[in-house]
Amino acid sequence: KAGVTQTPRYLIKTRGQQVTLSCSPISGHRSVSWYQQTPGQGLQFLFEYFSETQRNKGNFPGRFSGRQFSNSRSEMNVSTLELGDSALYLCASSLAGPPAYEQYFGPGTRLTVT
Amino acid sequence: DAKTTQPNSMESNEEEPVHLPCNHSTISGTDYIHWYRQLPSQGPEYVIHGLTSNVNNRMASLAIAEDRKSSTLILHRATLRDAAVYYCILTLPGSGNTGKLIFGQGTTLQVKP
Repeated sequence: KAGVTQTPRYLIKTRGQQVTLSCSPISGHRSVSWYQQTPGQGLQFLFEYFSETQRNKGNFPGRFSGRQFSNSRSEMNVSTLELGDSALYLCASSLAGPPAYEQYFGPGTRLTVT
Repeated sequence: DAKTTQPNSMESNEEEPVHLPCNHSTISGTDYIHWYRQLPSQGPEYVIHGLTSNVNNRMASLAIAEDRKSSTLILHRATLRDAAVYYCILTLPGSGNTGKLIFGQGTTLQVKP
């Protein structure tokens, strides 16, 4: 099976712009989670989607949003970019959910905001 | 959320066993213990998980203390490819915790040839 794919792999944006990142989960996986990784804060959970519905959300401002399509592919959007949004954005897919679920991570999208 | 405590770093020699400890003294009865690792320039990778009993898979073994307040990830023969940051994570069942992994700082494992 193909793994989780994320596009683009690298992105440079200017402060104030918006950006959309894409994630294709492993075939058959219906849950997609997004994480932000920075040197200072480490890996932080953004949100999780299942069957096109956001089921869980982390502590990020409303500028961070996402959606999931009927084929389980997911996108996340960051509006009004700030310098602090520079990070590695990771998505992970899993079959379903609780109580214990293996998440499979993609390689990430490296976003640089200048 | 229950908290985990791991050493910042550990060293091992290639082909020797490695025991990575994790303390989770406030663990609840329904928390699962997960281990993930992140190799350089890659996304995290699932290693193993367990609830009460010790678990083995092709990558590692997970030893869980009887009181569940600590656990140990065991790599039976470390290779250079095992050099990574290892994260011990507790997950709660329930709809409010779906798809959510809370990563701490993890343990950076160095493997010496």
